[in-house]
Amino acid sequence: SAVISQKPSRDICQRGTSLTIQCQVDSQVTMMFWYRQQPGQSLTLIATANQGSEATYESGFVIDKFPISRPNLTFSTLTVSNMSPEDSSIYLCSVGRDNNSPLHFGNGTRLTVT
Amino acid sequence: DQQVKQNSPSLSVQEGRISILNCDYTNSMFDYFLWYKKYPAEGPTFLISISSIKDKNEDGRFTVFLNKSAKHLSLHIVPSQPGDSAVYFCAASESGTYKYIFGTGTRLKVLA
Repeated sequence: SAVISQKPSRDICQRGTSLTIQCQVDSQVTMMFWYRQQPGQSLTLIATANQGSEATYESGFVIDKFPISRPNLTFSTLTVSNMSPEDSSIYLCSVGRDNNSPLHFGNGTRLTVT
Repeated sequence: DQQVKQNSPSLSVQEGRISILNCDYTNSMFDYFLWYKKYPAEGPTFLISISSIKDKNEDGRFTVFLNKSAKHLSLHIVPSQPGDSAVYFCAASESGTYKYIFGTGTRLKVLA
């Protein structure tokens, strides 16, 4: 399976600031996704990162709050904008070959907003 | 609306015994199911999957059972080892959607 490097691994940020999380894969992948895991919750899909076009966001998530880039088939970024304490979560990059194949995850970014 | 549910937040099992983790789903369109294991400070690791055309899939110590009529799947770990102590997530998807819906996880503790 692909090796997925995500950074930073953790950060503590102040309310109102923004943080960009990077996801680098060691091979080209078709599908890249960003998930969030809030404390005590399940993993929730934020958006699908589309190469060369705008990301596809799930209900409850908007581009202004979570802008995503995917310039090529091995790299993506997620920005958490204008952060509030409610954004404190683990943010996870994941990749997949196609549907009906397992997703593989990076180690996540643990974000704390004070 | 929680489409995938893991009703047991935690489970403790003696080393060498069987661990059984359960998962229920509500969407009858789901046709692909997965189990993941997650250690602290790591991302979820894929364990085993099953498609709806099967009712059982086995990989070493791990077996997943699917009961479509009951909309229920379970993960059996035999024999359980202390290194299996982790949080286990089940996930489900519908063909063509590329969306995986995750349960809230069950924390398994295997006692030596």
